[in-house]
Amino acid sequence: QSVLTQPPSASGTPGQRVTISCSGSSSNIGTNNVYWYQQLPGTAPKLLLYRNYLRPSGVPDRFSGSKSGTSASLAISGLRSEDEADYYCATWDDSLSGVLFGGGTKLTVV
Amino acid sequence: EVQLVESGGGLIKPGGSLRVSCAASGFSFSNAWMTWVRQAPGKGLEWVGRIGPKADGGTTDYAAPVKGRFTISRDDAIHTLYLQMNSLQTEDTAVYYCTTNPITIFDGMALWGQGTTVTVSS
Repeated sequence: QSVLTQPPSASGTPGQRVTISCSGSSSNIGTNNVYWYQQLPGTAPKLLLYRNYLRPSGVPDRFSGSKSGTSASLAISGLRSEDEADYYCATWDDSLSGVLFGGGTKLTVV
Repeated sequence: EVQLVESGGGLIKPGGSLRVSCAASGFSFSNAWMTWVRQAPGKGLEWVGRIGPKADGGTTDYAAPVKGRFTISRDDAIHTLYLQMNSLQTEDTAVYYCTTNPITIFDGMALWGQGTTVTVSS
């Protein structure tokens, strides 16, 4: 069981807004930046957001992030079928001296 | 082209050893923090460990499940990252990805290889 807790699944219809949560603790999210990764089926992960809310070049502004205390969230607005993927949060953990990934959230666009 | 290409995966018996490689191109490899991440079949992402540039002392950090069994090293002359895996266990079966950020480690793992599959089975 991951120290970063994500819901195992989420779903929405095209055009909707969905949010995915990531809950941690004071030794990880509470003191470090959060990163979000998108993994499409059968492919390598892709960096979606860095430093809590910043988007790498090429990532649509439909994707946004936030962090408060020991939790973070990823929001996807204007949901599209191509957003169907697994989403992972990640951060450094000061106690473990390593990177933690959340367990992942499988997003289904119905 | 900026890319990472892993190789060396395969089928290995429990207790055995294997070294996988990651060839880097298109960026300043010697200045980059390099990371290994793995994904067991049907499971989520798991950080394995990382190595810093020699300029930062070549520091290595490992996840608890692999510490003492796995060793990350680099050869800057040929732009290659290695993961030496010893005392392999069935739970080490996974796709192993190398990843980095060519600009700064603080901006996330922006560049990923395609992964190499390691299967530990008798």
